Amino acid sequence: QKEVEQNSGPLSVPEGAIASLNCTYSDRGSQSFFWYRQYSGKSPELIMFIYSNGDKEDGRFTAQLNKASQYVSLLIRDSQPSDSATYLCAVTGSSNTGKLIFGQGTTLQVKP
Amino acid sequence: GAVVSQHPSRVICKSGTSVKIECRSLDFQATTMFWYRQFPKKSLMLMATSNEGSKATYEQGVEKDKFLINHASLTLSTLTVTSAHPEDSSFYICSAVLGGSPTVGSPLHFGNGTRLTVT
Repeated sequence: QKEVEQNSGPLSVPEGAIASLNCTYSDRGSQSFFWYRQYSGKSPELIMFIYSNGDKEDGRFTAQLNKASQYVSLLIRDSQPSDSATYLCAVTGSSNTGKLIFGQGTTLQVKP
Repeated sequence: GAVVSQHPSRVICKSGTSVKIECRSLDFQATTMFWYRQFPKKSLMLMATSNEGSKATYEQGVEKDKFLINHASLTLSTLTVTSAHPEDSSFYICSAVLGGSPTVGSPLHFGNGTRLTVT
């Protein structure tokens, strides 16, 4: 079982729709959870982070965390073509080594 | 906000030569930096953790003699790919975090990456 799993996609949504990106993790002791966006040929940029159960909203983005189910998601409201990118879920392990464990990423395509 | 600068952004070298990639934290001191490698359409693979003033910690399967890491100051880490071969061609990305370990208060910030092509 991979430590952090994401559906590689592509996930295709029409412009203006809600895009829902999901991620599961195996280390129950993980404490911090991050979503990064990566455009083709570029390095990742931080979108959201969350550490407590529930929802966290920032503009059009909402991160959701459910530690009991070991599940974290990212919702993008009013999706725009510029949101088309690969979204990487990243999790800190419980061993406090400082490492960030990445999922394989979900490719999102927002069609005009 | 925190900025990590990586140089060069793109390099082409001949097989057998060595290439040095620099990673600098511009507005904060980074006791720890992380080096990642990414193949096309794949996720980031952690290569090593660079610790200021001490030896780097390499992930399993990463050759420490091939990928030399030096973290000589709190703002600079370098990765040297020695005796490069075509299979070393990849996207190399450094990252840093204030305080050493990424947390929600101090997330990991990435450099712009270096595209290495070995001919």
